[in-house]
Amino acid sequence: AQKITQTQPGMFVQEKEAVTLDCTYDTSDPSYGLFWYKQPSSGEMIFLIYQGSYDQQNATEGRYSLNFQKARKSANLVISASQLGDSAMYFCAMREKTGFQKLVFGTGTRLLVSP
Amino acid sequence: DVKVTQSSRYLVKRTGEKVFLECVQDMDHENMFWYRQDPGLGLRLIYFSYDVKMKEKGDIPEGYSVSREKKERFSLILESASTNQTSMYLCASSPSRSGVFQETQYFGPGTRLLVL
Repeated sequence: AQKITQTQPGMFVQEKEAVTLDCTYDTSDPSYGLFWYKQPSSGEMIFLIYQGSYDQQNATEGRYSLNFQKARKSANLVISASQLGDSAMYFCAMREKTGFQKLVFGTGTRLLVSP
Repeated sequence: DVKVTQSSRYLVKRTGEKVFLECVQDMDHENMFWYRQDPGLGLRLIYFSYDVKMKEKGDIPEGYSVSREKKERFSLILESASTNQTSMYLCASSPSRSGVFQETQYFGPGTRLLVL
């Protein structure tokens, strides 16, 4: 079974609008962490935001926020006020405590921001 | 700033060649990782290392080997390249073996390998 599922291969959004990128996960481990990364066309993965399984509040980092719904096992990334530079691939990833320092990645969502 | 560098951005090799992909990090990180990235499959872990001369298999180690002789350098080796190893290869590092849970991995720019 997929540990991380990103069901949106591609998303379109207009500049200045908000967009939500979906991520669901599967784990039986009570301790885990969820990460979102951005990969521009240059190829380098850029860390955006982190949410721990015991965190009481949803994580936020500037224009990025994480809509964490533990019971539904979802960790959706919300980008507010989209910019042209947000056009990229976005990956959701999970670290389980039992998995040492390994990350398991989803298949990614390509976001295109139009003027 | 953490810097992870990879020896080549683009590489073209022939089937059967031995291929070395080099990765260097400059922040004294203990952990290093090699992933391959394919469209529709995301990133898949090939091998990782948590110390010099130590290595652990990831999810898809077949056809690959690794070497970590120095802490800052982690090499991925394709003993006999095949066309199905055409892919984007990403190296990453993270600070500590038993680090805090929210410790991110830092990635290099990737190497696009084409095997003909």
